Amino acid sequence: DIQMTQSPATLSASVGDRVTITCRATQSISRYLNWYQQKPGKVPKLLIHTASSLQSGVPSRFSGGGSGTDFTLTISSLELEDCATYYCQQSYTTPWTFGQGTKVEIK
Amino acid sequence: QVRLVQSGAEVKKPGASVKVSCKLSGNTLSETSMHWVRQAPGKGLEWMGGSDPEDAKTIYAQKFQGRVTMTEDTSTDTAYMELSGLRSEDTAVYYCVADDGYCSGGSCFYYLDVWGKGTTVTVSS
Repeated sequence: DIQMTQSPATLSASVGDRVTITCRATQSISRYLNWYQQKPGKVPKLLIHTASSLQSGVPSRFSGGGSGTDFTLTISSLELEDCATYYCQQSYTTPWTFGQGTKVEIK
Repeated sequence: QVRLVQSGAEVKKPGASVKVSCKLSGNTLSETSMHWVRQAPGKGLEWMGGSDPEDAKTIYAQKFQGRVTMTEDTSTDTAYMELSGLRSEDTAVYYCVADDGYCSGGSCFYYLDVWGKGTTVTVSS
């Protein structure tokens, strides 16, 4: 199975900060990488698919990058409502696997 | 607009089975690939299995092989996930999810698009 490792596990930043989360795969997955946001007590929501394509309705402050084994999710200017846990997920091959999540907190 | 409505919370004893349903509206099951993802309390997301969008075959994560069965009733557009031999570690929220995707340059890319609200399954003696 392809293992997905996210870093950091927790991130604390101030409103307006630029924030970057990293996701690494144990083998090349091309651009078969998706990002999800889960707010406390809520259902996960698709943010970005295919490494860098913003899902409809997602604010443009979110962006994704990378290919192969290394990927990033960037929030260009952190807002209060971005307090959530973010998960990467590969769909290169089954079983589809998730990263362990990165919790973003507001200072 | 695709919507997924899941069945209600369940409390089961260790060793029992649970069957969770997920009714699709806004599309048909024959046009949709469904997946099941679970989340234990305070933990991350775990893909249990689903319909491979390439060939529509049902694939299960190795961890659940032999204990999970995912089925579909296309007459009612309802998907089901049955998990047997329940243990306390199976206490979790179980989500059904419809994927979406597109093909470009000879490759097809898929992602988990529409999520049900989740069904809480509690395993306790």
